[in-house]
Amino acid sequence: GQNIDQPTEMTATEGAIVQINCTYQTSGFNGLFWYQQHAGEAPTFLSYNVLDGLEEKGRFSSFLSRSKGYSYLLLKELQMKDSASYLCAVSRAGNNRKLIWGLGTSLAVNP
Amino acid sequence: ETGVTQTPRHLVMGMTNKKSLKCEQHLGHNAMYWYKQSAKKPLELMFVYSLEERVENNSVPSRFSPECPNSSHLFLHLHTLQPEDSALYLCASSQANSGGANEQYFGPGTRLTVT
Repeated sequence: GQNIDQPTEMTATEGAIVQINCTYQTSGFNGLFWYQQHAGEAPTFLSYNVLDGLEEKGRFSSFLSRSKGYSYLLLKELQMKDSASYLCAVSRAGNNRKLIWGLGTSLAVNP
Repeated sequence: ETGVTQTPRHLVMGMTNKKSLKCEQHLGHNAMYWYKQSAKKPLELMFVYSLEERVENNSVPSRFSPECPNSSHLFLHLHTLQPEDSALYLCASSQANSGGANEQYFGPGTRLTVT
């Protein structure tokens, strides 16, 4: 079956670094997305990985290992505004419109 | 201008009412989606329209009826809903192509409460 696992909640301190992990089991793989969702708002696209390795985009980086079915989102120099839910979603081969979504990780950044 | 807009932002309706949710995308995309987001559940894909043709219908009850009159507009018609249908309904759009995955852009959602 299809399954995506990520921690439910995480807490970190302003200015620190936090890593949010995501593991997946899907039939076929065509890329992994990370989205950020603030309370009461729309999910917004953060990153997309389809090949193994690290993709860096400012304070945010995303890593993928296809052989391990594993990804992480790395947030550096945390700011209070980074408090949000972070959603991991996988695109399957043969159906790039239907994403398999994780439950999301609720990150609280404390001063 | 916001890429994907949704109206209304909040809706309270009784179980016997009929209402419609509206979504409009200003990004020139060719695919549009309806999702349901409930607490402690992953995003649930309801419907997908690609080039105005419905291509996904994930066993959604018939009390939810989508309509896509053109590539920029998407509606979700609601009738005789149940309290468990209370949720955040998100619309999204993307530029679907035959190759790799494509990111979806979401609207702010409609918070629906069924009483």
